[in-house]
Amino acid sequence: GAVVSQHPSRVICKSGTSVKIECRSLDFQATTMFWYRQFPKQSLMLMATSNEGSKATYEQGVEKDKFLINHASLTLSTLTVTSAHPEDSSFYICSARVRDRAMGEAFFGQGTRLTVV
Amino acid sequence: GENVEQHPSTLSVQEGDSAVIKCTYSDSASNYFPWYKQELGKGSQLIIDIRSNVGEKKDQRIAVTLNKTAKHFSLHITETQPEDSAVYFCAASTRSGSGNTGKLIFGQGTTLQVKP
Repeated sequence: GAVVSQHPSRVICKSGTSVKIECRSLDFQATTMFWYRQFPKQSLMLMATSNEGSKATYEQGVEKDKFLINHASLTLSTLTVTSAHPEDSSFYICSARVRDRAMGEAFFGQGTRLTVV
Repeated sequence: GENVEQHPSTLSVQEGDSAVIKCTYSDSASNYFPWYKQELGKGSQLIIDIRSNVGEKKDQRIAVTLNKTAKHFSLHITETQPEDSAVYFCAASTRSGSGNTGKLIFGQGTTLQVKP
């Protein structure tokens, strides 16, 4: 089946530093990858949508200069949290839609728990 | 834009009983409705989905129904087991243009507890 691998699963960083999260589709090509953020006991909130080879589309209220998204290939997208602050601490999840599958479902990575201290 | 409402926020049932979680959506153009299960500290896992051209889909103990007119869809779990305990999210999506790049908008989630 379609597998999405997200790395790292946990990361602790100091305030002011940057953190990169990788999302890879292991056995399929992903037309589009989505990045979500989840605060404790809340739902997944879409942050941005990235299409391979083009700029990401950010949701309202999400700072594109703070959350840098790169979708360099059909199997890899990265999210970089720049100049992280404690309020950026959250659970970040990526998902990828299977290419060429009509109304294809999105497969999710395992998530990355970011703690900024 | 699309808005998805999910109820209830918490649900507690006895093992063996059925559980039903309901979602409503606002965008009549939505045509894909997946349900995800999220266990503690883990990513979401697709458990079942339904497309707008069918009204019901079943997979063993799990079923999903869709009422396009009323714009709501429901998840039904029968013969619940303790391992069904998790947070369940519904979502809705529309197709963007000619591709399948529609984003998923999630409901608020339902914490299901199955008591042994």
